[in-house]
Amino acid sequence: ETGVTQTPRHLVMGMTNKKSLKCEQHLGHNAMYWYKQSAKKPLELMFVYNFKEQTENNSVPSRFSPECPNSSHLFLHLHTLQPEDSALYLCASSLQRAGQKYEQYFGPGTRLTVT
Amino acid sequence: GNSVTQMEGPVTLSEEAFLTINCTYTATGYPSLFWYVQYPGEGLQLLLKATKADDKGSNKGFEATYRKETTSFHLEKGSVQVSDSAVYFCALNNQGGKLIFGQGTELSVKP
Repeated sequence: ETGVTQTPRHLVMGMTNKKSLKCEQHLGHNAMYWYKQSAKKPLELMFVYNFKEQTENNSVPSRFSPECPNSSHLFLHLHTLQPEDSALYLCASSLQRAGQKYEQYFGPGTRLTVT
Repeated sequence: GNSVTQMEGPVTLSEEAFLTINCTYTATGYPSLFWYVQYPGEGLQLLLKATKADDKGSNKGFEATYRKETTSFHLEKGSVQVSDSAVYFCALNNQGGKLIFGQGTELSVKP
């Protein structure tokens, strides 16, 4: 496997279900990100992790719970979601060093539908 | 603060036409600038980048030049193909980690 992988690629869940999205990066990066992409809306940064520590949470509802057990893996745990949470969820990774401005590399995304 | 503004889409072109997608930014200092492309049903792919003023990023026939004086990073391609149909995002990094994205410009190329 190369780059950034995400599983599953598609997920349909009811509002009372609990599911998890998984992201794995094979690039040796130290920072990982979750984004939400809804139709007709800009990309929304949800969470940022640097060396497994959460460094940013952009006022995301508590029904989304991230987990970063190591620098290569990132999870997004989902529970009691709402239909408006249906979107493409993108994971990304990058190097992050003080004073440097690196690009991010994205996975293919998980298309989530909440019924 | 930091921000990126792209031209509104959708942009519709015929095959072999010249493409320009405008991108301007607001930032203090010297951000790194990027163009990403998103094909239908996929994630974002880094298309090209520039890290300092007057740098030209290029890839797959696409080019963009970092213009500090006009705070712009316009994307150009001399002859588009149907396979270039996608959404294009301009972005900047000015704070060591966080990317600031434009709203995206949808390009549709007709045969």
